[in-house]
Amino acid sequence: NAGVTQTPKFRVLKTGQSMTLLCAQDMNHEYMYWYRQDPGMGLRLIHYSVGEGTTAKGEVPDGYNVSRLKKQNFLLGLESAAPSQTSVYFCASSYRGNYNEQFFGPGTRLTVL
Amino acid sequence: AQSVAQPEDQVNVAEGNPLTVKCTYSVSGNPYLFWYVQYPNRGLQFLLKYITGDNLVKGSYGFEAEFNKSQTSFHLKKPSALVSDSALYFCAVRPNMDSNYQLIWGAGTKLIIKP
Repeated sequence: NAGVTQTPKFRVLKTGQSMTLLCAQDMNHEYMYWYRQDPGMGLRLIHYSVGEGTTAKGEVPDGYNVSRLKKQNFLLGLESAAPSQTSVYFCASSYRGNYNEQFFGPGTRLTVL
Repeated sequence: AQSVAQPEDQVNVAEGNPLTVKCTYSVSGNPYLFWYVQYPNRGLQFLLKYITGDNLVKGSYGFEAEFNKSQTSFHLKKPSALVSDSALYFCAVRPNMDSNYQLIWGAGTKLIIKP
C-alpha cells in the first residue's frame, strides 16, 4: 500500500497563478484533510471532507478551494496564489470516528514569488 | 477557547537519559489525545493515543504517554533516549463531543538528543 501520496512535491508559483495539489489515499478512509504548516505555528486545517462529495471549511480556508469527487482523492486548489500562501501543505486521511488517528502524506513545498 | 499548549519549543536530552515532552490542554469534556512525530522533510507519523482506560498508553518506538485528567496533561515519555528520536513532536486533542471532526494541534516541540 502506498498510503497517502501527494503531488507535486515542490512547486514555485508567481503571484496570481493558479494550481491544484492532488492527494490520494489507498486505505479506503472516509475522512480527508488539508493542512498547512508554517514555522512556529504548527498545523492549521484548511479544509476537510467526511465523505465523497462533501467538504467543509477548517481554520484557514480563505484563498483555497477543495473537491472530493472520488473517495480516494482530495484536491486543493489555489485560484490566485499570494506570497502568504508560501508554506508546506500536508494531506491526511483517517477512518470515520473522532478517535481514529490521521495518516499523513509527505507534503508539498509551495513557494509563491 | 479550546487550546493545546506545548510549553517548550525545544527539549535537549543526552542519549540514554529519559525524556519528557510536555502537553497540556484546555478542552471541555473528555477529549481524545494524540501524539505525532515529524522527522525532517517528512510528513507526520502517529505515535500513540489515549481514548479511555489506563492512563499510561504505550506507542511506537518505545514511547509512552501519561494522561492526567486533574492536570489536563498528556506528557510524552521515553525511558532511554536515542539520537534517532531527534524530531519535531506534536500533541493534538479532539473533543469527543465535538462533531466538526477537527483536531486542535499544539505548536510542536523540537526534541534534540545529543550523543
